[in-house]
Amino acid sequence: KQEVTQIPAALSVPEGENLVLNCSFTDSAIYNLQWFRQDPGKGLTSLLLIQSSQREQTSGRLNASLDKSSGRSTLYIAASQPGDSATYLCAVAYSGAGSYQLTFGKGTKLSVIP
Amino acid sequence: NAGVTQTPKFRILKIGQSMTLQCAQDMNHNYMYWYRQDPGMGLKLIYYSVGAGITDKGEVPNGYNVSRSTTEDFPLRLELAAPSQTSVYFCASSTGTMGETQYFGPGTRLLVL
Repeated sequence: KQEVTQIPAALSVPEGENLVLNCSFTDSAIYNLQWFRQDPGKGLTSLLLIQSSQREQTSGRLNASLDKSSGRSTLYIAASQPGDSATYLCAVAYSGAGSYQLTFGKGTKLSVIP
Repeated sequence: NAGVTQTPKFRILKIGQSMTLQCAQDMNHNYMYWYRQDPGMGLKLIYYSVGAGITDKGEVPNGYNVSRSTTEDFPLRLELAAPSQTSVYFCASSTGTMGETQYFGPGTRLLVL
């Protein structure tokens, strides 16, 4: 059974710092890995999606890497801002019966202090 | 284009009551999903559908039922609500194409007392 672990569970940093969020998964037979952002009381917003054949994806100040063989991914946020405060969820896609399904980690709650 | 919509936003149920959580999408996606998220936990898949008339169980289907009569709608039915079903429920949709992301609704917060 695929398991996804995110470390740390919570992180507090001063504005302007660069930071790294970690995600690990137990089964390397994945189709892709996604990083989502979740704001309090809101749904999930996809930030970055890395296909299994890719090593990294970038969007603005965000960079996500994937090392499938070691079962690890990192989300790098440059020059953090208070608006980055949210919970970040990592999810891996694998083949379920008739569909591809996502297994989620528990998330990292990020607080960026002005 | 509203994306994925869910109603209600919040509901309090008494133990043993039933209710239906509504989900609709206007992106013509074939695949739809129901997840639940307990405090401090990741999302767990309850049921999913790969098209109208086709549904299948996810990781935690007990106590729930679904139907998919149209491409747009995917309601989740709770029969005989129990305190263990207190959670936030998210509906999502996707094209189903490998490598495409899922689009999530804003969630329904359910409290069973």
